[in-house]
Amino acid sequence: KAGVTQTPRYLIKTRGQQVTLSCSPISGHRSVSWYQQTPGQGLQFLFEYFSETQRNKGNFPGRFSGRQFSNSRSEMNVSTLELGDSALYLCASSPFGGTGDTQYFGPGTRLTVL
Amino acid sequence: LAKTTQPISMDSYEGQEVNITCSHNNIATNDYITWYQQFPSQGPRFIIQGYKTKVTNEVASLFIPADRKSSTLSLPRVSLSDTAVYYCLVGDFLSYSGNTPLVFGKGTRLSVIA
Repeated sequence: KAGVTQTPRYLIKTRGQQVTLSCSPISGHRSVSWYQQTPGQGLQFLFEYFSETQRNKGNFPGRFSGRQFSNSRSEMNVSTLELGDSALYLCASSPFGGTGDTQYFGPGTRLTVL
Repeated sequence: LAKTTQPISMDSYEGQEVNITCSHNNIATNDYITWYQQFPSQGPRFIIQGYKTKVTNEVASLFIPADRKSSTLSLPRVSLSDTAVYYCLVGDFLSYSGNTPLVFGKGTRLSVIA
């Protein structure tokens, strides 16, 4: 089975712009979660989608949003970018999204905001 | 979702066995214990999962005492390539808690020295 794929792998944007990141989960996985990782804050949960519905959301401002399509692919969007949004954005998929379910992570998208 | 506590960092020499202990005092009956490994600029990778006693795979062993309030990840004969951050998570496979997202915490930073 192909693993989780994320595009693009690297992205450079300027403050005020918006960005869309894409994630393709492992075939058959219905849950997709997004995480932000920075050196200072570690791995922080953004949100989780299951069958096109957002089931949970972390403590991030409304500038961070996402969606999931019928084929389980997911996108996340960040509007009005700030310097502090520079981070590695990771997507993970799992069969059901249970808290004990094994998460399979993609390689991440490295976002740099100038 | 049971909260976990693990050491911030550990150092080891090549060829030694490394044991990383995770405390999860309020683990629930249906919870499993899962460990992930993360290298810099990559997504976390599943290492091992267990419920009780001992689990062993090709890369690690997981020891879980009878009361399940802690667990120990054992890495035999570590090499420089085992330098990474190791995360301990506790959760139920199919139980989804809408108000409690998956929390990776800070993990344990293992440094293997030649």
